Amino acid sequence: KNEVEQSPQNLTAQEGEFITINCSYSVGISALHWLQQHPGGGIVSLFMLSSGKKKHGRLIATINIQEKHSSLHITASHPRDSAVYICAVRLGDTGNQFYFGTGTSLTVIP
Amino acid sequence: KAGVTQTPRYLIKTRGQQVTLSCSPISGHRSVSWYQQTPGQGLQFLFEYFSETQRNKGNFPGRFSGRQFSNSRSEMNVSTLELGDSALYLCASSSIPGKETQYFGPGTRLLVL
Repeated sequence: KNEVEQSPQNLTAQEGEFITINCSYSVGISALHWLQQHPGGGIVSLFMLSSGKKKHGRLIATINIQEKHSSLHITASHPRDSAVYICAVRLGDTGNQFYFGTGTSLTVIP
Repeated sequence: KAGVTQTPRYLIKTRGQQVTLSCSPISGHRSVSWYQQTPGQGLQFLFEYFSETQRNKGNFPGRFSGRQFSNSRSEMNVSTLELGDSALYLCASSSIPGKETQYFGPGTRLLVL
């Protein structure tokens, strides 16, 4: 059983669409990260959340600790947003020991 | 500031051999974590080092080991390679474990034949 579930697994959108990727987890966590992985493997950390909401450019991440759920939103999607988005959770004070979701593969069509 | 670097970028080994991968963190970062990524299992945590001490270890067999040097550079070693060890091995660094964003290296792609 995976402690972190993401949905959808695959997502295709038209350029300009509003996109939502969901992450649910089954354990108590101290922080949740959203990561972006482009073809070729490079990973970029987009957000680190422990409560509430964060915004960076066209990206918005929210977390509801009580419901054990987080969402990543992309407004006005663009083909360069095409990537795999991965949710990662940290349990307690475990440094950088994360449990990862299986990822959401996003393709944005021009 | 230079990013996280990993060497080598690509590696081909045969079963039974051993391999050592290297990671140089961002200057000033003392925390280095290692992750394995495979198509079947996705991303999995291997271990984390901070100030030359292993802080956490994931659920991997003892064939997987690592260390960190006084300059914060880290190496991981896999002995007696198996076909299932073929994966992308990523390292990430941060200044304080768990408190700040991690910065990932480009990864080492290992193929075991």
